[in-house]
Amino acid sequence: NAGVTQTPKFQVLKTGQSMTLQCAQDMNHEYMSWYRQDPGMGLRLIHYSVGAGITDQGEVPNGYNVSRSTTEDFPLRLLSAAPSQTSVYFCASITTGDPGYTFGSGTRLTVV
Amino acid sequence: GESVGLHLPTLSVQEGDNSIINCAYSNSASDYFIWYKQESGKGPQFIIDIRSNMDKRQGQRVTVLLNKTVKHLSLQIAATQPGDSAVYFCAENRGGGADGLTFGKGTHLIIQP
Repeated sequence: NAGVTQTPKFQVLKTGQSMTLQCAQDMNHEYMSWYRQDPGMGLRLIHYSVGAGITDQGEVPNGYNVSRSTTEDFPLRLLSAAPSQTSVYFCASITTGDPGYTFGSGTRLTVV
Repeated sequence: GESVGLHLPTLSVQEGDNSIINCAYSNSASDYFIWYKQESGKGPQFIIDIRSNMDKRQGQRVTVLLNKTVKHLSLQIAATQPGDSAVYFCAENRGGGADGLTFGKGTHLIIQP
């Protein structure tokens, strides 16, 4: 049981480039979400999904797209990277009855 | 605006003492709160949760208190150990547990030897 796996762990992008942050969970959790964490801040919700084929926006969705074609995977796409998207990104999942979300170890993204 | 927040960015305690970390929330309709611990370079780790129909919940060395009258919750850590050094966040469910979490800014707990 690997839990929530995020790849890559580190990434440097140039402004305007696009990329996909991968998130996979092997716990058969129906609910998944993406957060960003800026220095000295708490995590802010970007997008979330309540099941395969269903996604919705969180607090800070602009500049990001998501899809959920399978229960296991929930990729986050940056369409045109901007320096303001420099952050640490966390993916999390949960199932009904669980006391709290399980988080991945994060992807540290720098946009130059 | 932010729904949940913490009163202090840094808390320094002596090893062996008890630690109390505070959190204020603004949404009186919030019904579920969670405390997370985040160590450097890692993702948040679940510590303990509490529902709004409870005032207190205890775990191993940790206790969460909820005061709905003043919209305040606290995390108490007994006999603080070096391994407790981390940033602690309170978070609230946005709705039904499926819609993600709203986090406060966090308190950095520093353990003095």
